[in-house]
Amino acid sequence: DIQMTQSPSSLSASVGDRVSITCRASQGIRNDLGWYQQKPGKAPKRLIYAASSLQSGVPSRFSGSGSGTEFTLTISSLQPEDFATYYCLQHNSYPFTFGPGTKVDIK
Amino acid sequence: EVQLVESGGGLVQPGGSLRLSCAASGFTFSTIWMTWVRQAPGKGLEWVADIRKDGSENHCVDSVKGRFTISRDNAKNSLFLQMNSLRGEDTAVYYCATGSPGGYWGQGTLVTVSS
Repeated sequence: DIQMTQSPSSLSASVGDRVSITCRASQGIRNDLGWYQQKPGKAPKRLIYAASSLQSGVPSRFSGSGSGTEFTLTISSLQPEDFATYYCLQHNSYPFTFGPGTKVDIK
Repeated sequence: EVQLVESGGGLVQPGGSLRLSCAASGFTFSTIWMTWVRQAPGKGLEWVADIRKDGSENHCVDSVKGRFTISRDNAKNSLFLQMNSLRGEDTAVYYCATGSPGGYWGQGTLVTVSS
């Protein structure tokens, strides 16, 4: 199985900060990676697909990059509604696997 | 408007069975792979299973193989997860979602396995 790791596991940031989260795959997954945001008690929401494509309706302050084994989600200017947990998911080979999550909270 | 509505969750004893359903509307259900994802209380997301648009192919995580079966009824725009031999570690909110998963998710249904 492909193992996904994320760093950091949590971070504290202020409104307006630039934030980056890294996701690493245990083997190459091309660009078969998505990023998801989840708020407490809610279903996840996909932000990015194919590693760097912005999901329709998602603000442009979110961006994704990377290919192969290392990927990054960047929020260019953190907004109050962005405080949440973020997950990456590889869908290159079965079983698909999520990263453990990165919790972004208010500094 | 795309809607995915899960049902069928509840409290079940270890070793018991449940069948989850996901009613889809607002899109052409028969043209999209569908997925189940779960989340144990206070834990992260876990991909559980998916099924090809025509139902001819499916995959699942090792921890549920031989116990869970994913299926679909395209005529009724419905996705199912038959869960047998349930264990405490299957306790979770179960979400259905379009694609791998993609842009649309249901609100989730809680399955609690406990005596």
